[in-house]
Amino acid sequence: DARVTQTPRDKVTEMGQEVTMRCQPILGHNTVFWYRQTMMQGLELLAYFRNRAPLDDSGMPKDRFSAEMPDATLATLKIQPSEPRDSAVYFCASAPDGVYEQYFGPGTRLTVT
Amino acid sequence: DAKTTQPPSMDCAEGRAANLPCNHSTISGNEYVYWYRQIHSQGPQYIIHGLKNNETNEMASLIITEDRKSSTLILPHATLRDTVVYYCIVTRPYPKKGGGTSYGKLTFGQGTILTVHP
Repeated sequence: DARVTQTPRDKVTEMGQEVTMRCQPILGHNTVFWYRQTMMQGLELLAYFRNRAPLDDSGMPKDRFSAEMPDATLATLKIQPSEPRDSAVYFCASAPDGVYEQYFGPGTRLTVT
Repeated sequence: DAKTTQPPSMDCAEGRAANLPCNHSTISGNEYVYWYRQIHSQGPQYIIHGLKNNETNEMASLIITEDRKSSTLILPHATLRDTVVYYCIVTRPYPKKGGGTSYGKLTFGQGTILTVHP
């Protein structure tokens, strides 16, 4: 049963520290999405990639957030420096070409103190 | 992408059909209706999608009105495990058939919290 995996599952860090979240998409899926979920804003799309190329990162704060796909099996979302308002659950999702559903990972719960 | 409106909460008796409405009056011709569900603390899970015709799969049925301005997700025999949040989303197809770069982004609203009662 293929699944999207995310690490770490939980992260607690202090304000100002760098945070890196990782996602392993389902093998063969060429599109990867990053979402953030908070109680106030709900689920928001931050960025997405197709064939490792960034297609849209308009939902992402550019000054501190960066998203990359070093290879087809790894997507990263980095926050530097982190702030308390970044506390949220970050979800990664992947999808294969020509298919309409996205498969979500279990999420990384980030707490910035 | 068109905006959707869903009731914040609904109730249903176990074993009965749960009918979850969604309004999308500004939907355009090439936009699909998607439904996802989210169990607390887990990632959303795809349920079903449609364009014009009614759709059915092993999880649910989707009824889209003829003018496409609203739709209803039907869970035929609701169970206690169906007590989760349901999101109705309207977006352009992803990826665009025949090529191109029109990728549909999922914009989640607040969804409907369905409570199934024993």
